[in-house]
Amino acid sequence: QSVLTQPPSASGTPGQRVTISCSGSRSNIGSNYVYWYQQLPRTAPKLLIYGNNQRPSGVPDRFSGSKSGTSASLAISGLRSEDEADYYCAAWDDSLSGRVFGGGTKLTVL
Amino acid sequence: EVQVVESGGGLVQPGGSLKLSCAASGFAFSGSAIHWVRQASGKGLEWVGRIKRKAASSATAYAASVKGRFTLSRDDSKNTAYLEMNTLKIEDTAVYYCVARLCGDAYCYSDYWGQGTLVTVSS
Repeated sequence: QSVLTQPPSASGTPGQRVTISCSGSRSNIGSNYVYWYQQLPRTAPKLLIYGNNQRPSGVPDRFSGSKSGTSASLAISGLRSEDEADYYCAAWDDSLSGRVFGGGTKLTVL
Repeated sequence: EVQVVESGGGLVQPGGSLKLSCAASGFAFSGSAIHWVRQASGKGLEWVGRIKRKAASSATAYAASVKGRFTLSRDDSKNTAYLEMNTLKIEDTAVYYCVARLCGDAYCYSDYWGQGTLVTVSS
């Protein structure tokens, strides 16, 4: 069972806006920055969002992150077929003195 | 071009040892923190441990599941990091990713992931 809680699946049709949630606690999301990763099939994860809501260069502005209290969200607007992937949230956990990941959300583009 | 390449994976018996290497190029390796993340087949990501840059005393941190069995080290002269794994268990079977992270005062802003190396623990 993961320290950060994500829905196991999400779906949307092309052009739609989809949101993936990530729930944690005071010791992780509540006091540290949140990161989001995209993992396409059979590839290494790729950093999508850092510092709660910052996008690395090359990541489309269709992807956005937000954080409120002990929860965070990843929003994908203008959904495209190539967005079909697994998405993970991550944060440092002060109580565990380690990094923790969410269990991952499999996004299906219908 | 940024490259992060893991090596050293393979088949090992329970109780055995293995040492993974992570060779990097194309960025300031000595200024990066090196994390290891593993992923069992069909499962999610699990953080294994981290070694900070030398300027931060090369401080290490480990997941509870590997603490006391795994050891992180780095050789900045070779732009290489290592993960030494001892007393391996069947549940350590996974693809192991090396992740080089560049961080500022507040947060990390770059992640460079390797392609992963498979470690299989089986008799």
